Amino acid sequence: EDQVTQSPEALRLQEGESSSLNCSYTVSGLRGLFWYRQDPGKGPEFLFTLYSAGEEKEKERLKATLTKKESFLHITAPKPEDSATYLCAVTETGANNLFFGTGTRLTVIP
Amino acid sequence: ETGVTQTPRHLVMGMTNKKSLKCEQHLGHNAMYWYKQSAKKPLELMFVYNFKEQTENNSVPSRFSPECPNSSHLFLHLHTLQPEDSALYLCASSQVFIGSNTEAFFGQGTRLTVV
Repeated sequence: EDQVTQSPEALRLQEGESSSLNCSYTVSGLRGLFWYRQDPGKGPEFLFTLYSAGEEKEKERLKATLTKKESFLHITAPKPEDSATYLCAVTETGANNLFFGTGTRLTVIP
Repeated sequence: ETGVTQTPRHLVMGMTNKKSLKCEQHLGHNAMYWYKQSAKKPLELMFVYNFKEQTENNSVPSRFSPECPNSSHLFLHLHTLQPEDSALYLCASSQVFIGSNTEAFFGQGTRLTVV
């Protein structure tokens, strides 16, 4: 059973067209939720950690939010350089792992 | 530069070869990890080392053998691999053990192709 599900699988946006990526999770005791950005052929780059429902974090055009069942990564006025795959991962109480989703591949068209 | 360096970046090997992947972290972290990333699949945890001690082995076949000589270096020794082992192998490190809710930082990965 998938513990982390990301949607959509792929997203194409025009430059400046804001949108949101979704990460839903089913772990029983969430310890932390992480967002990463991954460019083709490279390792994931850490973006944010969220620990509790209601928490928000921002970085440039990105804002991550967390509820008890899901997280959103909001992208405001994206630019072509924001094109990448965005990965969500969670840790849960008693587990020794980061459980990753399969990612959302974002393409921003000039 | 992420602070986690992997070599080589690309590797092509035959099924009878023996090779090793190397990872070095310059962040002063105490935990290191090997992940496998295949197309259309989530990252899969392979091995975890915490203070040089292996604490997790996620049912990885014995043809993959990890080694952690110190908290800054991690190796993955490969022998008699199968074509389905072709993937991007990622090394990561974190300040403390990932179960303690700390973010992990990844290297750039080794793209492995088994022919």
